[in-house]
Amino acid sequence: DADVTQTPRNRITKTGKRIMLECSQTKGHDRMYWYRQDPGLGLRLIYYSFDVKDINKGEISDGYSVSRQAQAKFSLSLESAIPNQTALYFCATSYAGNQPQHFGDGTRLSIL
Amino acid sequence: EDQVTQSPEALRLQEGESSSLNCSYTVSGLRGLFWYRQDPGKGPEFLFTLYSAGEEKEKERLKATLTKKESFLHITAPKPEDSATYLCAVQDNYGQNFVFGPGTRLSVLP
Repeated sequence: DADVTQTPRNRITKTGKRIMLECSQTKGHDRMYWYRQDPGLGLRLIYYSFDVKDINKGEISDGYSVSRQAQAKFSLSLESAIPNQTALYFCATSYAGNQPQHFGDGTRLSIL
Repeated sequence: EDQVTQSPEALRLQEGESSSLNCSYTVSGLRGLFWYRQDPGKGPEFLFTLYSAGEEKEKERLKATLTKKESFLHITAPKPEDSATYLCAVQDNYGQNFVFGPGTRLSVLP
């Protein structure tokens, strides 16, 4: 089983809909992250959390919100989806500040 | 502001033809530089961490090196299964987050 699991793997939806992407991990890491990946732009940080009570905005948080339900679960919501939020979304975890991140296999989100 | 650039954007090699990928960075005190491999439809897979200039790490046909301004990923005698996008990321001493480069898309032809 994957250490970092993202659901759904693919989603097509319409403008204005609320969408939730979920991430769960079995690595026991405290730190969790949400990124989006667009061609030519690399991975950009949306939100991150260092423990259940700690939530922080990343580089591109506008239009997104998150919830850290437990150490192992971190969900990303798009309150009212718009077409330029069409992208690949990745969840990642890490053990400590200078340790590498471990990624899920992503959610491909298309907003029509 | 931390920045990471990677070159070339894409690289096509023949099997066995060695080459290097470049990652140039600007950071206010480097805490770590990370190399990842990403296959289509998959998340990035961790390869190496480098912490200080002069450090080198090796894994099979890959070798990563680090200077104060850039890192190289050397690929020796590549095979078709080395085809992937290679990403580098930096973390500075002040922030807690990672800044990723756009990646180099490597194709190794048989």
